[in-house]
Amino acid sequence: SAVISQKPSRDICQRGTSLTIQCQVDSQVTMMFWYRQQPGQSLTLIATANQGSEATYESGFVIDKFPISRPNLTFSTLTVSNMSPEDSSIYLCSGSGVSDTQYFGPGTRLTVL
Amino acid sequence: AQSVSQHNHHVILSEAASLELGCNYSYGGTVNLFWYVQYPGQHLQLLLKYFSGDPLVKGIKGFEAEFIKSKFSFNLRKPSVQWSDTAEYFCAVKEDSNYQLIWGAGTKLIIKP
Repeated sequence: SAVISQKPSRDICQRGTSLTIQCQVDSQVTMMFWYRQQPGQSLTLIATANQGSEATYESGFVIDKFPISRPNLTFSTLTVSNMSPEDSSIYLCSGSGVSDTQYFGPGTRLTVL
Repeated sequence: AQSVSQHNHHVILSEAASLELGCNYSYGGTVNLFWYVQYPGQHLQLLLKYFSGDPLVKGIKGFEAEFIKSKFSFNLRKPSVQWSDTAEYFCAVKEDSNYQLIWGAGTKLIIKP
């Protein structure tokens, strides 16, 4: 299984600012994903991070708001731009390899004031 | 569009009771099936998965799940729960033609000591 770390683990940010979340995997994975999990709710896929090319966004999520980078097979970043209180959530990174099993990072708990 | 249904949003049991959490999905083709668990304050962990073969799969901590293709179901079971099983449980399904996971809404399980 892959071990996934995320930084920061939590942050409190002001409205209108941006936060970049980092995700590091300990081994090469084929796919990397970014999710949002509102308190008490299930996971919502934001986008699939593609190595060396633009991420694939799900309906309701756009690149200008959630720019994603994936410069190599083991690292990705998600930026939450121009934040508002509605962006307060837990942001999760996951990765999957040839086994098609997704493994998750510990999440980043974001609070926007 | 495919969907995943978890029948119970909240389940409260006493220690040593038997557990069964329901999961049904709507896709008619080949699927990979997963149960994840999220303990309070912790990140999502893989509990068990089914890809092919024996439809009864065993996971960590004494959990098992049975894939019944005719019922489009993948119910999670444990014969005797412990207080430490208090957590949220998520069922997820992956179509063979897609790399994304489709998530159920989750079931919050509370075990009374």
